[in-house]
Amino acid sequence: RKEVEQDPGPFNVPEGATVAFNCTYSNSASQSFFWYRQDCRKEPKLLMSVYSSGNEDGRFTAQLNRASQYISLLIRDSKLSDSATYLCVVRDTGRRALTFGSGTRLQVQP
Amino acid sequence: DAGVTQSPTHLIKTRGQQVTLRCSPKSGHDTVSWYQQALGQGPQFIFQYYEEEERQRGNFPDRFSGHQFPNYSSELNVNALLLGDSALYLCASSLQRNPYEQYFGPGTRLTVT
Repeated sequence: RKEVEQDPGPFNVPEGATVAFNCTYSNSASQSFFWYRQDCRKEPKLLMSVYSSGNEDGRFTAQLNRASQYISLLIRDSKLSDSATYLCVVRDTGRRALTFGSGTRLQVQP
Repeated sequence: DAGVTQSPTHLIKTRGQQVTLRCSPKSGHDTVSWYQQALGQGPQFIFQYYEEEERQRGNFPDRFSGHQFPNYSSELNVNALLLGDSALYLCASSLQRNPYEQYFGPGTRLTVT
């Protein structure tokens, strides 16, 4: 079983739609959680950290469910520029490395 | 404020050869991590350097080695290249006191033929 699992997609949605991605992680000792965005053939960029209480940044909302070991990302009012691959990332207690999921591809269509 | 830089951008090598990739961290950062990203996959952690020492290593063979210099820049060396080593190699820099925020460079795309 992979440490971090994501639905690869693609999710094809129209502009203005709301879309949600989920991610599950296997290590209950995981300590920190993030969503990264990666455009085609570019480097990953931090989109937002995910906090236990849930957090929002503009059109983006991230939530963490420690009991079920999953993380979600909600994007409201999708823009064409949101088209990218979204990577779910965890960091385990005592480890320096980030563990990435394989990513979920989002394509927003006009 | 210079971000993370990597060189070269692209590289083509033959099986069995050796390659060296380079990374300069973001200004002020002291820690460098290397990741390998195969096509269609997320980045996989290779190792991390701080104070010129390898601090943690992922599940990669000894053919993968690295170095960090006093100016915090870093090199990744891969010996005896295999076709399966073809990937995007990403360098990420951070501060040791705040390892959560890692900033990635644009990567080096390595093709092994």
